[in-house]
Amino acid sequence: DQQVKQNSPSLSVQEGRISILNCDYTNSMFDYFLWYKKYPAEGPTFLISISSIKDKNEDGRFTVFLNKSAKHLSLHIVPSQPGDSAVYFCAASASYTGNQFYFGTGTSLTVIP
Amino acid sequence: GAVVSQHPSWVICKSGTSVKIECRSLDFQATTMFWYRQFPKQSLMLMATSNEGSKATYEQGVEKDKFLINHASLTLSTLTVTSAHPEDSSFYICSARALPGNTEAFFGQGTRLTVV
Repeated sequence: DQQVKQNSPSLSVQEGRISILNCDYTNSMFDYFLWYKKYPAEGPTFLISISSIKDKNEDGRFTVFLNKSAKHLSLHIVPSQPGDSAVYFCAASASYTGNQFYFGTGTSLTVIP
Repeated sequence: GAVVSQHPSWVICKSGTSVKIECRSLDFQATTMFWYRQFPKQSLMLMATSNEGSKATYEQGVEKDKFLINHASLTLSTLTVTSAHPEDSSFYICSARALPGNTEAFFGQGTRLTVV
């Protein structure tokens, strides 16, 4: 049972434009969310996080939005750069489960120069 | 930032042999580490949670006798794939949290295991 879902397996965006990656979850007990970036054959790299007490967190070009009622979060990258091309995973955890993360299936972002 | 080192980064082994993968937290103590497995074009799937000084907690469907986890110290967890089969070929990744509660997790570089 996939508790975290990324319904778009791939996304292409022109350089300089905004990239929007979406993520949905089913477990209402999730209270912490993260986005990771991953290159092939490498471990994921942490990008940005958000706690359930917030609905927005911003770090440079990256902004994460959380809509708890819709169980939806999104990652906005603006402006997009060719170096942003990678697979992006959203992940969620719940305090009561011992803090392990549940990952979405990933979205492959391609930023076209 | 905190660093997690995973070794080896890739390994090829024969069917029936065992392979050990190490995961070390280099500049922090991790009471809990997590082991994930990723199949091509699929998500990271949690295999087990490794707790220092106690038995690992395995996710449903993961054979604990096949994937042996040892968390002997606050900076080292090992995953041993025993009696490896070609279907065990995959990308294995460990992660650790530096602080309890809701904080980011740091990941190792991953290990590409190929069983021939």
